[in-house]
Amino acid sequence: NAGVTQTPKFRVLKTGQSMTLLCAQDMNHEYMYWYRQDPGMGLRLIHYSVGEGTTAKGEVPDGYNVSRLKKQNFLLGLESAAPSQTSVYFCASSYGGSNQPQHFGDGTRLSIL
Amino acid sequence: DAKTTQPTSMDCAEGRAANLPCNHSTISGNEYVYWYRQIHSQGPQYIIHGLKNNETNEMASLIITEDRKSSTLILPHATLRDTAVYYCIVRVMSGGSNYKLTFGKGTLLTVNP
Repeated sequence: NAGVTQTPKFRVLKTGQSMTLLCAQDMNHEYMYWYRQDPGMGLRLIHYSVGEGTTAKGEVPDGYNVSRLKKQNFLLGLESAAPSQTSVYFCASSYGGSNQPQHFGDGTRLSIL
Repeated sequence: DAKTTQPTSMDCAEGRAANLPCNHSTISGNEYVYWYRQIHSQGPQYIIHGLKNNETNEMASLIITEDRKSSTLILPHATLRDTAVYYCIVRVMSGGSNYKLTFGKGTLLTVNP
């Protein structure tokens, strides 16, 4: 039972570098989400998707882009990494919308130097 | 989403039941009560949710008072691996566009040997 899998688990980047975080789910969920978690800030929604081919902005979308080309995958891109993007990134998925439980991956720990 | 109030921390002996309270006095008729937990360095984990009836699954039981202003999450036989921060969240039942999960500070449950 893989559930939600995030790749990579850890990464260190230099300021200005780009990278893509991959999220894969095997539960046939329609909805997928990217959050970041910082100390004392709780979870903050970056972007989300309500289905294949669709994406929408969350509460902190600046500096990030996403794509949902396949139903099972949700990619989070950092075009030009900044130290303020140092965080733990969590991907989640749910069968439906706001009333459905979200299932999370184990996170990607990203440090920007 | 309605605001919730939880104790900052609780202790429980291994093998005993852990009862985690949550107050949500401003809950609306169309809002569910959800419980998640986050074990250190892992992603949040969905536990259970309910509207007004008591619910039970393989992880826990959820007891909601008749007036729905408070609830209790019960872990029947706590183990050391249940040490985590537990979050009580109130969310609208259906519709709307609020996909973001808002975690408060939660309750740090420490299960002691």
